[in-house]
Amino acid sequence: GQQLNQSPQSMFIQEGEDVSMNCTSSSIFNTWLWYKQDPGEGPVLLIALYKAGELTSNGRLTAQFGITRKDSFLNISASIPSDVGIYFCAGRPYNTDKLIFGTGTRLQVFP
Amino acid sequence: DGGITQSPKYLFRKEGQNVTLSCEQNLNHDAMYWYRQDPGQGLRLIYYSQIVNDFQKGDIAEGYSVSREKKESFPLTVTSAQKNPTAFYLCASSTLTSHTSGNTIYFGEGSWLTVV
Repeated sequence: GQQLNQSPQSMFIQEGEDVSMNCTSSSIFNTWLWYKQDPGEGPVLLIALYKAGELTSNGRLTAQFGITRKDSFLNISASIPSDVGIYFCAGRPYNTDKLIFGTGTRLQVFP
Repeated sequence: DGGITQSPKYLFRKEGQNVTLSCEQNLNHDAMYWYRQDPGQGLRLIYYSQIVNDFQKGDIAEGYSVSREKKESFPLTVTSAQKNPTAFYLCASSTLTSHTSGNTIYFGEGSWLTVV
């Protein structure tokens, strides 16, 4: 099945730094979702985006639905140790009812 | 508490054995899904159901079966035909709204299946 291109694959950063990751697709989407997954747990929804150009924040997290409808990014500001985990994007192409998931960005935060 | 409950958290299967993973949701969601996750990889859709007594194959349905006899429940059976079943299995659910507003999927906590 189709998967999104998510980058970077992994990041190793120092506490307090800002983080940016993104997902791109070859087709246009009508929904972008960002999830965080801790080891051995299910993904937890962070931010949902439904309109091209939409910019939404959730605390230190900010995500945007690209105006081309083929991409989305997630920013984390002032990272802290509990930000460690795997971040997944997911998108829904037009005229389908299935989500497509990115391969994830593994984030490590060092004190 | 509202949410999606998967059980068991850990399950061991012998070669040739069928096993069933349970998924129950009390969110009144119409749609339910099963995903498989292998180490270091994204999520792959096994089966999904949008309404009771109806379900569709996802991208990797071979060796799996499901049923949807109740809105709240969507059990997954991993059959002996699935040759590489060791993985982390995630159940999810969502409402069914228009495509312009999107359907946000919520996940359970997952079940680990290991073949011994």
